[in-house]
Order: sequence, then structure tokens, then C-alpha cells
Amino acid sequence: AQSVTQLDSHVSVSEGTPVLLRCNYSSSYSPSLFWYVQHPNKGLQLLLKYTSAATLVKGINGFEAEFKKSETSFHLTKPSAHMSDAAEYFCVVSLTGGGNKLTFGTGTQLKVEL
Amino acid sequence: KAGVTQTPRYLIKTRGQQVTLSCSPISGHRSVSWYQQTPGQGLQFLFEYFSETQRNKGNFPGRFSGRQFSNSRSEMNVSTLELGDSALYLCASSLAGDLNNEQFFGPGTRLTVL
Repeated sequence: AQSVTQLDSHVSVSEGTPVLLRCNYSSSYSPSLFWYVQHPNKGLQLLLKYTSAATLVKGINGFEAEFKKSETSFHLTKPSAHMSDAAEYFCVVSLTGGGNKLTFGTGTQLKVEL
Repeated sequence: KAGVTQTPRYLIKTRGQQVTLSCSPISGHRSVSWYQQTPGQGLQFLFEYFSETQRNKGNFPGRFSGRQFSNSRSEMNVSTLELGDSALYLCASSLAGDLNNEQFFGPGTRLTVL
């Protein structure tokens, strides 16, 4: 079975400081991993995805994530937070070749303060 | 190109009734997936349709069903509604159902069961 664990339900940072959202995955097979963002009253948007190519994945809006097999982690980072980054972030896993069945983490609510 | 559209956006029903939700994928997309989002259970996969066939199914009771039409539009139906079915129902479409193809999410249908 595949699963993801988002280690923090809430993260608060000051504008201009780094962002770190943590995610650990569990998968018996080669996983594909994603980060999605959900702004209030809006749909989910893909930030970035890892599908067994480069382990450091760059996404939109300055976000990036590093796949670390030895640590079974896929943490999301951004060097400098912006007020517009305030949203809920979901770490997602899917089995390669398993079609479009995504397993979502419980989400991390990111708050950005002035 | 128009995004994924879902109708209706809001729905109020009473226990025991049934409901049908509709999803129109992005033009050219053949895969449509459905998810349920609740504060308690988070985002959970319901099912995926590809070329009018159900390809993947989540762990939901048989009261939840779906179908896909030849134009790739999809509907999901929930019969004998329960209070716990109150949720945001999201659909997502992708080109060919391959994980290398990004899933695009619609804004969701907010279902309230009274």
C-alpha cells in the first residue's frame, strides 16, 4: 500500500523567510510524488512532480522538492515566502503505472505573516 | 482552453435523496477522476474513468457510482444520501491517464446533506 505523511498540519513563517513543508512517503513500488496547492475557494493546482527522473524537482512560483529515497522523504521548500503563498499544501503519491489514483496527505496549512 | 468545469457548484439535499454531479474535462482529456474532500477524512479517491471504462476505484460504498460518456464528460451519482456525504467533490482530468500527464482539477461541487 502507498501512503504519505505530512509531518506538520500548520506552518507559520514570516514573509521573506524560507519555507519547509515536510512529507514522508511509503510505497512498495517506484512511486510518483507530487505537491499540490489549494487556495481558499479554489481548485487544486499542481506545484511540481517527481517521476523517477532528477531527484531535485523545480516547480512553479519558486518552489522545489528533493526526492530522498534513503529517507523516504519529499520535502517542499521555497527560499523566500510571499504573502500569496498562504494556502493549504498537499503531498501526494501515486504508483507508477497505476493509472490516476492519487493518495493525498492530510495537508499542511501555510500561514505567511508580515 | 477552458479548464475543468463542474456543475452544480453548490447543492443542498436531504438524507435519503440521491444526487448527480457533472464534470466536463479539458478538451482532449480522456481521463476523469473523482475525489471527496472532507475536514475529517481529507482528500480521498473515489474512482477514475478512462475511455468510458472505470479503471480505478477507491474504498467507497456502492452508493457511490459514476460513468463517463463518449465525449469524456463524467457524472457521479450518490444514492441514499447520508449526513456524512456532505463534502467538496472534486474532479480532475488528464490527457491520457498516464502519470506523466498532469491532472487538472475543477473548482468542485459543495454538497450539503441535511
